[in-house]
Amino acid sequence: DIQMTQSPSTLSASVGDRVTITCRASQSISSWLAWYQQKPGKAPKLLIYKASSLESGVPSRFSGSGSGTEFTLTISSLQPDDSATYYCQQYSSYSGFTFGPGTKMAIK
Amino acid sequence: QVQLVESGGGVVQPGGSLRLSCAASGFTFSNYHMHWVLQAPGKGLEWVALIRNDGSDKYYTDSVKSRFTISRDNSKNTLYLQMNSLRAEDTAVYYCAKDRGSSGSYYTFDYWGQGILVTVSS
Repeated sequence: DIQMTQSPSTLSASVGDRVTITCRASQSISSWLAWYQQKPGKAPKLLIYKASSLESGVPSRFSGSGSGTEFTLTISSLQPDDSATYYCQQYSSYSGFTFGPGTKMAIK
Repeated sequence: QVQLVESGGGVVQPGGSLRLSCAASGFTFSNYHMHWVLQAPGKGLEWVALIRNDGSDKYYTDSVKSRFTISRDNSKNTLYLQMNSLRAEDTAVYYCAKDRGSSGSYYTFDYWGQGILVTVSS
């Protein structure tokens, strides 16, 4: 099975900051990676698919990059509404579409 | 607008069974693969099962194989998860999720239900 890791596990930043979350796969997943945002008590929301494609309706301050085993989610200018937990998900293998453990983002 | 509404959750004893349902509307249900994803209390997301749009193929995470069965009724626009031999560690919020279903994004989840809590406890 493909294992996913994320760093950092928690992150605190100020409004307007540029923030980056890293996601690593235990083996190459090409560009088959998605990012989700989840707020407390709510269902996750798809932000990015195929590593760098922005889902419709998602603000352009969110961007994704990477391929193979290392990927990043960047928020170019952090907003108060971005306080949430962010998960990466690989969809390379039918053996399991695994999520990363999550990165909890707090606004200072 | 797309809506996914789960039902059927609740408290069940270890070893018991439960069937979750997910009523879909706002899109052509029969055109899309569907998934179940769980989230244990205070924990991260875990994909559980996938069923193809026509029900022809089903895939499961290892921890539920032989215990859970995903199915769908395209005439009723409804997705199901039959959960047998339930264990305490199955306690979670269960989400049904629609596959995004286009090139480069099959097996990602663009719409989610509100989630339904399953508690396995004696």
